[in-house]
Amino acid sequence: QSALTQPASVSGSPGQSITISCTGTSSDVGNYNFVSWYQQHPGKVPKLMIYEVSKRPSGVSNRFSGSKSGNTASLTISGLQAEDEADYYCCSYAGSSTYVFGTGTKVTVL
Amino acid sequence: QVHLVQSGAEVKKPGASVKVSCKASGYTFTSYYMHWVRQAPGQGLEWMGIINASTGSTSYAQKFQGRFTMTRDTSTSTVYMELSSLRSEDTAMYYCARKGPDFDYWGQGTLVTVSS
Repeated sequence: QSALTQPASVSGSPGQSITISCTGTSSDVGNYNFVSWYQQHPGKVPKLMIYEVSKRPSGVSNRFSGSKSGNTASLTISGLQAEDEADYYCCSYAGSSTYVFGTGTKVTVL
Repeated sequence: QVHLVQSGAEVKKPGASVKVSCKASGYTFTSYYMHWVRQAPGQGLEWMGIINASTGSTSYAQKFQGRFTMTRDTSTSTVYMELSSLRSEDTAMYYCARKGPDFDYWGQGTLVTVSS
């Protein structure tokens, strides 16, 4: 199972919106609505930000939103803030009780 | 509230095995699955496997088939992962994470260092 493809880095100025893509195949992202996104600050434990493509857990800011089209899922962060600077990972169910993570994206707030 | 507390850091020699525990509290242990995920230094997240805490049934990433084993003890609400035939590339932080939905709660991580 190959890792899902994410851009290595994305940057934006405070207040702007950015979008991180997550490209898989018809065997994972394209076939299931079980894509999730995680935020990880340096030295910290990953935090669930989005699940089932577009659902937000309680306590996660509504500045974070998710979507999917075909084999590509996306995470959009609107109103970018300094605290959003972190690594972000997507994850998809891949069938037969297996999962696959994305390669990770470093978000920089300029 | 939900807590997942993992065992402490380990240093192992190549070829050895390591067993890491993850003790759950704050929820009904047998109602959820548990994932194991690892992260090598400076690298991304890698899914290793999942265990049904109720039945003990498991599913493993193909990469780890044959040298990775997950078990659970319902009497202590603890899941275990054991990785054998360790090599330097297995040096990583190992996390347990509850499935419900996806990876909603994570343990603090256990650093496993493989070095001669």
